[in-house]
Amino acid sequence: EVQLVESGGGLIRPGGSLRLSCEASGLTFRNYAMTWVRQAPGKGLEWVSTISGNGGETFLADSVKGRFTISRDNSRDEVYLEMNTVGAEDTAVYYCAKGGHLSAYDVWGQGTRVTVSS
Amino acid sequence: EIVLTQSPDTLSLSPGERATLSCRASQSISRYLAWYQQRPGQAPRLLIYDTSNRATGIPARFSGSGSGTDFTLTISSLEPEDFAVYYCQQRSNWPRTFGQGTKVEIK
Repeated sequence: EVQLVESGGGLIRPGGSLRLSCEASGLTFRNYAMTWVRQAPGKGLEWVSTISGNGGETFLADSVKGRFTISRDNSRDEVYLEMNTVGAEDTAVYYCAKGGHLSAYDVWGQGTRVTVSS
Repeated sequence: EIVLTQSPDTLSLSPGERATLSCRASQSISRYLAWYQQRPGQAPRLLIYDTSNRATGIPARFSGSGSGTDFTLTISSLEPEDFAVYYCQQRSNWPRTFGQGTKVEIK
């Protein structure tokens, strides 16, 4: 069974930085693109970023371009989201999902909550 | 950016009834559309990919159709666990986008 477990969320002050992690198990990790999707409180889903299986291609939403970076370590079966210069608009539950480059998101983690507040 | 508009925003139905959810794209996305279900407090779950393919473990009462700009998710007979929010999502272009969601509530 494929499982994704996110970590790294928490309370962070405006302008601060945070790194989210997502550990995968039950799959040949390097074969799959990975994606981060977020959901602000009471709102819908927003695609944030996708990285290809070998890490050679990355895609970012305009709302986070220049502030967030996606990366992965295929030796550790982990994908990361580095968040810099965060603002209140980044407050959300962040989900890690399998797929996204040439496929739908067929497995999701349970999410990690990020709250930006002073 | 491709905008996906779902309708209606809320659908009030009784168990056993048929649900028809719509998703319209601002430009053609061929058949690159997926549907997700999200129950309260849970992560989204993939139901349908590439318009009409059921994901692993998804019951046959869920079906998808459409192409180009107009897509439909049909739940043939609502079960109690189907009352949730449903999102469509396109993978035709970057950035990937989701619809705003349709809430299926118990009437």
